[in-house]
Amino acid sequence: DTAVSQTPKYLVTQMGNDKSIKCEQNLGHDTMYWYKQDSKKFLKIMFSYNNKELIINETVPNRFSPKSPDKAHLNLHINSLELGDSAVYFCASRRSQTGDNEQFFGPGTRLTVL
Amino acid sequence: DQQVKQNSPSLSVQEGRISILNCDYTNSMFDYFLWYKKYPAEGPTFLISISSIKDKNEDGRFTVFLNKSAKHLSLHIVPSQPGDSAVYFCALNSGNTPLVFGKGTRLSVIA
Repeated sequence: DTAVSQTPKYLVTQMGNDKSIKCEQNLGHDTMYWYKQDSKKFLKIMFSYNNKELIINETVPNRFSPKSPDKAHLNLHINSLELGDSAVYFCASRRSQTGDNEQFFGPGTRLTVL
Repeated sequence: DQQVKQNSPSLSVQEGRISILNCDYTNSMFDYFLWYKKYPAEGPTFLISISSIKDKNEDGRFTVFLNKSAKHLSLHIVPSQPGDSAVYFCALNSGNTPLVFGKGTRLSVIA
């Protein structure tokens, strides 16, 4: 019973391509996030959604477009991929925006842009 | 500008001894403090947390200490076991903000 799942786990693609990463949580949580772990190993917040509404966009280039078709899903679309987009992307969820501060993470998607 | 710092990128400890992982922060608005553990090719998993109204929280072999005046957080693992070998992240937030993570410390417990 996977709480937060992501697909694919690995993604290798050429510069300039467009790709998507999918995330699903079966915890009934209201809030979902995308984090990026770059080569320096920092886990940085990219986006935060609450009840399908975008609440945080941490100065991410507009080539990145999250989409939340429902509360259980938060997908990440990336257009015109660049070398610097190579990283591990983690999806996470939380029961609500406030309280219950624990976030549950997916297994990560390792994106390699060639 | 790093709000959360884990200044030791790695730590090696003998099995059975105590592991102490440290975390420093700059923003006094943080009021909830968590430790996450991460194995290779997996996502971070929650380990233990503490709120700003406490200075210690214990769960089995794991104890988290919070020194608000020093803006310092630590995780003690005793006794350390080989299965504890992983990367440990401290993560902090306040209210409805997302977690802000440190860079992580890689713990190696040597049998």
